[in-house]
Amino acid sequence: SSELTQDPAVSVALGQTVTITCRGDTLRTYFASWYQQKPGQAPLLVLYHQDNRPSEIPDRFSGSTSGNTASLTITGAQAEDEADYYCHSRDSSGNLVVFGGGTKLTVL
Amino acid sequence: EVQLVDSGGGLVKPGGSLRLSCEASGFSFRIYSMTWVRQAPGRGLEWVSSIPPSSNYMYYAESVEGRFTISRDNAKNSLFLQMNNLRAEDTAVYYCARFGWNDFSHIDHWGQGTLVTVSS
Repeated sequence: SSELTQDPAVSVALGQTVTITCRGDTLRTYFASWYQQKPGQAPLLVLYHQDNRPSEIPDRFSGSTSGNTASLTITGAQAEDEADYYCHSRDSSGNLVVFGGGTKLTVL
Repeated sequence: EVQLVDSGGGLVKPGGSLRLSCEASGFSFRIYSMTWVRQAPGRGLEWVSSIPPSSNYMYYAESVEGRFTISRDNAKNSLFLQMNNLRAEDTAVYYCARFGWNDFSHIDHWGQGTLVTVSS
């Protein structure tokens, strides 16, 4: 299967650690990348190739993979981290793009 | 600074056509793979189509295969999406985007999006 599955919603207390997961068979072959999207804005790349961050992304964002599950961890969540998060990988051919359904993160 | 400016969206009737454009600047457009991603109102991201630098092959989501055509003009730093036989379910914000590497592994820059509304 080329599907990626994410929990629809996750919440975290301000300053605490939260992990958002993405499950799919394709993740056994290809790394995930992660995007943050705030209302009315285009998505923003936060992690690629599992645990690489663009220069503008704070180091509280990190990633890992175990088996068929990729994880995005925010250590010390801030109010500005409240957003939708999407994982992305490729299908078994490597040529088609697959997105997870997205996880809405609420910072309490 | 990398910039992607999407345009061409609008209101179109079911069965109609629309051509989206994306003007790129701030990078060597001709060496990057590009893609279109859409987002229906209140829904998640959906990949639509991708094209490598040389346009030697184009890739499509099953939902648009046979109706949409992606193309690019490297001389004009432009990406296009020709959309035919549009359906109500094609209503979405369409984003032009750049792959960071040519293995389609991640998207490092996105346009601002252009809204396509398919309605009678």
